[in-house]
Amino acid sequence: DTAVSQTPKYLVTQMGNDKSIKCEQNLGHDTMYWYKQDSKKFLKIMFSYNNKELIINETVPNRFSPKSPDKAHLNLHINSLELGDSAVYFCASSQGVGGAEEQFFGPGTRLTVL
Amino acid sequence: GQNIDQPTEMTATEGAIVQINCTYQTSGFNGLFWYQQHAGEAPTFLSYNVLDGLEEKGRFSSFLSRSKGYSYLLLKELQMKDSASYLCAVKDSNYQLIWGAGTKLIIKP
Repeated sequence: DTAVSQTPKYLVTQMGNDKSIKCEQNLGHDTMYWYKQDSKKFLKIMFSYNNKELIINETVPNRFSPKSPDKAHLNLHINSLELGDSAVYFCASSQGVGGAEEQFFGPGTRLTVL
Repeated sequence: GQNIDQPTEMTATEGAIVQINCTYQTSGFNGLFWYQQHAGEAPTFLSYNVLDGLEEKGRFSSFLSRSKGYSYLLLKELQMKDSASYLCAVKDSNYQLIWGAGTKLIIKP
């Protein structure tokens, strides 16, 4: 049973296109996250949702828009893709936001913008 | 600003012991995590420290000193499969995880 799943695993697209990445968790967690990991392997938080409500919204271009239809899903839509958006995007979830709550990561989506 | 520092890369020999250090400066502290990330894969949880001292879990141990803003991950009896990046992350006063850039550990036979 996959705990946190993302689709697609690989995404290759042209500049200017719009794309979406889907994420689902079957752990019954209340909190979900989107991270961007660039070529230097630095994990940067983009968004966090708790029970479908946005709780973290870092300085991210408004071309990125998260959507949480229910607490098991957090999708990421990206408009007008740019070369600099090329990275691996990880979805994660945790039971809550408390101190000891570990985050469980999805397998990642490798986005390449040409 | 908030900052997590760890060495970029370390090399060790199979069967040996290695210590990966992490220093942090954050606005508040609600615990420190270590994650392992193999190339091309997702990070996976290794350990969590919130009180000073050593937490041991099999071949892996993690130490925390809150007064020094310092932690280390100790890996014993190194195996080739331990070749991976090790990420240090701290929860700040807002319970947001602040991540280090990771330490790439290379194990040689």
